[in-house]
Amino acid sequence: GAVVSQHPSRVICKSGTSVKIECRSLDFQATTMFWYRQFPKQSLMLMATSNEGSKATYEQGVEKDKFLINHASLTLSTLTVTSAHPEDSSFYICSAFPDTGDTEAFFGQGTRLTVV
Amino acid sequence: AQSVTQPDIHITVSEGASLELRCNYSYGATPYLFWYVQSPGQGLQLLLKYFSGDTLVQGIKGFEAEFKRSQSSFNLRKPSVHWSDAAEYFCAVGARSGYSTLTFGKGTMLLVSP
Repeated sequence: GAVVSQHPSRVICKSGTSVKIECRSLDFQATTMFWYRQFPKQSLMLMATSNEGSKATYEQGVEKDKFLINHASLTLSTLTVTSAHPEDSSFYICSAFPDTGDTEAFFGQGTRLTVV
Repeated sequence: AQSVTQPDIHITVSEGASLELRCNYSYGATPYLFWYVQSPGQGLQLLLKYFSGDTLVQGIKGFEAEFKRSQSSFNLRKPSVHWSDAAEYFCAVGARSGYSTLTFGKGTMLLVSP
């Protein structure tokens, strides 16, 4: 099956620094990728839709200047958490739809971000 | 707006017993429906999905789910639970057109007792 690789799986950073999370589709191309955030014992909440070659579409309440998304190629989207604060600590998961028209999204393994 | 309700936050089942996890959805048309499983600190693994056709869907690891349009439900079942099935289970709904985002339920944590 299709594989989505997310890196890093865990990261600890200091308050005020920025962290970049990568989401790669390893064996398929994906014009569209999605970034979700999951709080402890909560469901996944969509943050933004990442579109290759164009600006990301952010969900209401998500600060686009804080969560920078860059979809530079058909296999890579990055999420940068800028000026991180402890409240940004969370589990971030990406998903990707293959451009072949598959209606199933494939998920990365997630990134646990801890801001200290 | 679409929504998914998983009424049970936690369920405890004895190993070897049967399992049913409930999922109800709200959507304006016939949706795509999914069940995912998440182990602690891990991403999501797709168990099964319903797009069309037979309303009883077979998935991996011995799971199945039945789409009941009249009840707006898509309950997940397994005849005999194994200790390794302990995890968080998410039901999700997606639109039928194009690349759609998924709306997830809040999840049900399955605990398996010896």
